[in-house]
Amino acid sequence: TQLLEQSPQFLSIQEGENLTVYCNSSSVFSSLQWYRQEPGEGPVLLVTVVTGGEVKKLKRLTFQFGDARKDSSLHITAAQPGDTGLYLCAGRNNDMRFGAGTRLTVKP
Amino acid sequence: GAVVSQHPSWVICKSGTSVKIECRSLDFQATTMFWYRQFPKQSLMLMATSNEGSKATYEQGVEKDKFLINHASLTLSTLTVTSAHPEDSSFYICSASEGSYEQYFGPGTRLTVT
Repeated sequence: TQLLEQSPQFLSIQEGENLTVYCNSSSVFSSLQWYRQEPGEGPVLLVTVVTGGEVKKLKRLTFQFGDARKDSSLHITAAQPGDTGLYLCAGRNNDMRFGAGTRLTVKP
Repeated sequence: GAVVSQHPSWVICKSGTSVKIECRSLDFQATTMFWYRQFPKQSLMLMATSNEGSKATYEQGVEKDKFLINHASLTLSTLTVTSAHPEDSSFYICSASEGSYEQYFGPGTRLTVT
């Protein structure tokens, strides 16, 4: 059983489209991280959210932490082929648990 | 800052041999290091957590005697896969934390056991 549920599992879109990836849990986390991983490489940290309701923007990426600190979303505006990768959310309390990931493909 | 390296980046070994993978934090002191395993097109599965100078804490189902973890200093942790078998072939990733919220990941080591 995955502690963190990510949806969708796979997403294939055209360049320029918008998309949202969701990360949901029944557990409360002290913080939540989003990572992007490319094939054959380690995950790269995109953002950490700590406060319930927090919204962080990183260029075309917008991250939101749910008010109850149980869920989060990642919204990408005007996706580009360079955004292709595996997006992982990870919730942290005493340790860190990863979601199954959303594999995004952006076609030119 | 916050760079983590792994060595080797890939390794091929014969069944029955042992392989050591190193994880180093290059520009910070890692009080805690984590070892993950990742199968193709799957997410990361935590294998163990190690704190400098103490024994690693293994996740349920991970064999301690097979996956030996040593965290001898604040910048180095090693994972030794003993008596490797083809089913141990995987992508092994370490991460390091200096006690803050974030973990910083190494580039991973691809192990192939023939």
